[in-house]
Amino acid sequence: DAKTTQPNSMESNEEEPVHLPCNHSTISGTDYIHWYRQLPSQGPEYVIHGLTSNVNNRMASLAIAEDRKSSTLILHRATLRDAAVYYCILREGAGGTSYGKLTFGQGTILTVHP
Amino acid sequence: GAGVSQSPRYKVAKRGQDVALRCDPISGHVSLFWYQQALGQGPEFLTYFQNEAQLDKSGLPSDRFFAERPEGSVSTLKIQRTQQEDSAVYLCASSFSTSYEQYFGPGTRLTVT
Repeated sequence: DAKTTQPNSMESNEEEPVHLPCNHSTISGTDYIHWYRQLPSQGPEYVIHGLTSNVNNRMASLAIAEDRKSSTLILHRATLRDAAVYYCILREGAGGTSYGKLTFGQGTILTVHP
Repeated sequence: GAGVSQSPRYKVAKRGQDVALRCDPISGHVSLFWYQQALGQGPEFLTYFQNEAQLDKSGLPSDRFFAERPEGSVSTLKIQRTQQEDSAVYLCASSFSTSYEQYFGPGTRLTVT
């Protein structure tokens, strides 16, 4: 499985933007970049995903480098409820042999200060 | 609507006991995954079902672990002769198909004493 590298932890203040980086230099052409987050004592929650173009949804934005070897998850205004572990995951495209299973790394622990 | 539910939420088992963990996926979701999450680690894949067919069980750590989904909806993960190293949170996730996002349940925290 292609590997991702994320910082162990990051801190932010409430209502400020947060940029969570992810490196994936061995990404293949058919890998999608997925982000999930896990709040304390809960199961992971889907945040956003993309292939080549930047993506926006109600939760966050995903900025993907032109060479696709890195990406950044952007939380536009962090709230206390955004404190979680954020996982950057490469997921094989449809028709692959991995059946879409997710390979989680250690993730980035995001702390949000009031 | 109803999300993925798991039961029990907490289970304490004595070493050597058998346990059964249940997952109720979102109705209509074809794909069902089980993951194991040790303390302080990210979840690790255990097994995958497409409807009632178990297509990938490469992540099951030993033959003491067994999963089924006989009617293509509810799934059960069974662990026989539990060991202390089986202590973890067991997460179930379902999705409409393999290319869609996965919805996770709250997990079952298993503690083996």
